Amino acid sequence: GIQVEQSPPDLILQEGANSTLRCNFSDSVNNLQWFHQNPWGQLINLFYIPSGTKQNGRLSATTVATERYSLLYISSSQTTDSGVYFCAVRGSTLGRLYFGRGTQLTVWP
Amino acid sequence: DTGVSQDPRHKITKRGQNVTFRCDPISEHNRLYWYRQTLGQGPEFLTYFQNEAQLEKSRLLSDRFSAERPKGSFSTLEIQRTEQGDSAMYLCASRSPSYGYTFGSGTRLTVV
Repeated sequence: GIQVEQSPPDLILQEGANSTLRCNFSDSVNNLQWFHQNPWGQLINLFYIPSGTKQNGRLSATTVATERYSLLYISSSQTTDSGVYFCAVRGSTLGRLYFGRGTQLTVWP
Repeated sequence: DTGVSQDPRHKITKRGQNVTFRCDPISEHNRLYWYRQTLGQGPEFLTYFQNEAQLEKSRLLSDRFSAERPKGSFSTLEIQRTEQGDSAMYLCASRSPSYGYTFGSGTRLTVV
């Protein structure tokens, strides 16, 4: 299967700070998504971004498929941004998503 | 609400009992997935349906696990003779070619 590595595993910020989360993957992919898992366990889809750059408010993401990595940027972080951020990829032939182990983000007021 | 619905949200069961979970995907999505997530890990793939056909099963899906999607709409995941190691969050997702995967809120299973 495809290996997905996320860094850093843990990130602690003060409100208002910016951060960058990284996702490296081991093979070419047809799909890449970033999710935020809230304290109740629900995975919220942030970006569907197999390539290129997208922005949604304070969040933006960039995927460089040829170099097999993606970055998630969070600007002016808020306490509600706390939670686990997962990167997940789908290969070319299989239907399944492969997840990384996530980045645990804690934002303090 | 047009999201993915899962029922129940929580289930506590005694070891050895059978449990069944239900997932209702987004109606226009013909692809449906089941994942399992344990504490501190990312979700792991269990199985995948396209319409009513089960196209892929993980090695994690032992013979105690069975999933169905009888009419290509909702799906059920049954675990027979539950074990403590089955305690986890069970997540269902459906997929759109344009927007990717949408996950439900999950069913948290605790086997005591």
